[in-house]
Amino acid sequence: AQTVTQSQPEMSVQEAETVTLSCTYDTSENNYYLFWYKQPPSRQMILVIRQEAYKQQNATENRFSVNFQKAAKSFSLKISDSQLGDTAMYFCAFMKLPAFATNKLIFGTGTLLAVQP
Amino acid sequence: ETGVTQSPTHLIKTRGQQVTLRCSSQSGHNTVSWYQQALGQGPQFIFQYYREEENGRGNFPPRFSGLQFPNYSSELNVNALELDDSALYLCASSTYRGQTEAFFGQGTRLTVV
Repeated sequence: AQTVTQSQPEMSVQEAETVTLSCTYDTSENNYYLFWYKQPPSRQMILVIRQEAYKQQNATENRFSVNFQKAAKSFSLKISDSQLGDTAMYFCAFMKLPAFATNKLIFGTGTLLAVQP
Repeated sequence: ETGVTQSPTHLIKTRGQQVTLRCSSQSGHNTVSWYQQALGQGPQFIFQYYREEENGRGNFPPRFSGLQFPNYSSELNVNALELDDSALYLCASSTYRGQTEAFFGQGTRLTVV
């Protein structure tokens, strides 16, 4: 069975600074995806960034980037130039492949990020 | 906005009652998944429906059941409600069952008293 662990329940960062959220996972699978989702107070889960396990290059989306260490089973999220709108709960998630199977997401317990003005 | 809508947004039920939650998937999406998010926890997978059939189930008892309709909208039914069923229930839709990106609705907050 796969598990996802987020060891930082809460974090705080000053506006415009950089923050890194940690995530580790456990799996015996070789083909999978990893995700970071953001859940603001509106409750809607929003995809921030996605990483394919077979790709060595770390994914980047504007101010968001990941550090994917497959051997260490580590998947951290770096937010640069933090903005007040980044305040939210952040979830790390795992999805096993191959395609045409159930695209079930396994989530961690989340990290509450507060961006301070 | 993802185009995935859930109703109702909030609901209060009494222990032992039955509840039905509804989800309209994004246009063109034939796969719907349901998740339960207890307070302070990450979402947990309940089950997925693909083209009106159950296509995978998490570790939830049979009193959690679902339906998917020809227009790909979906219902989650929970019988014999327990206090621990109090949670945010999230619906997510995808273009196809193997797609990696899921689009979530805003959830239904269920409180069982």
